[in-house]
Amino acid sequence: QSVLTQPPSVSEAPRQRVTISCSGSSSNIGNNAVNWYQQLPGKAPKLLIYYDDLLPSGVSDRFSGSKSGTSASLAISGLQSEDEADYYCAAWDDSLNGYVFGTGTKVTVL
Amino acid sequence: QITLKESGPTLVKPTQTLTLTCTFSGFSLSTSGVGVGWIRQPPGKALEWLALIYWDDDKRYSPSLKSRLTITKDTSKNQVVLTMTNMDPVDTATYYCAHSLAAAGRPYFDYWGQGTLVTVSS
Repeated sequence: QSVLTQPPSVSEAPRQRVTISCSGSSSNIGNNAVNWYQQLPGKAPKLLIYYDDLLPSGVSDRFSGSKSGTSASLAISGLQSEDEADYYCAAWDDSLNGYVFGTGTKVTVL
Repeated sequence: QITLKESGPTLVKPTQTLTLTCTFSGFSLSTSGVGVGWIRQPPGKALEWLALIYWDDDKRYSPSLKSRLTITKDTSKNQVVLTMTNMDPVDTATYYCAHSLAAAGRPYFDYWGQGTLVTVSS
């Protein structure tokens, strides 16, 4: 059972904006950086956001990350069909002394 | 260009030991701040972090699997090896290795291998 909780699914029409939440605790999100990964169907995960809100080179600026307290969010603006994927938040957990992934959220473009 | 590739058996029997090798290129595991980690994903389920080895040979393990895991590196061969003992059908998953960078011990995984599916069955 993951210590980072995400909604199982979100859906929105093309060109709209969606937000995915990631809820944790003081031992993970509250005290450490959050990273986000995108996993397209049948593919390996891809780093989308690191250290809360930084975009790796080559990642579209339609993706953005934020954090407040023990929760984090990933926003996707201008939703496109190619954004249909599973999204995972992740962070180091000081209590577990390990890296934890969220439960994952499936994004569907209507 | 950083690339990683996992190799190992596709089928193991219950109670056997799994040995996976991650062969990488485009970086050195002797560079400060660099690490290689292992992550797995059971079919249709979420990602699960397993282990991470740093450039200085510091090793971290998932607390729930620590007793079964060993991670080692061979810098000269550009390889990282993960062994998992006492395999069980619930360990059936795609196993990924990934390049890691870390600041203040807080890692993220920026390059991933394609993954290798390991099935545990008699």
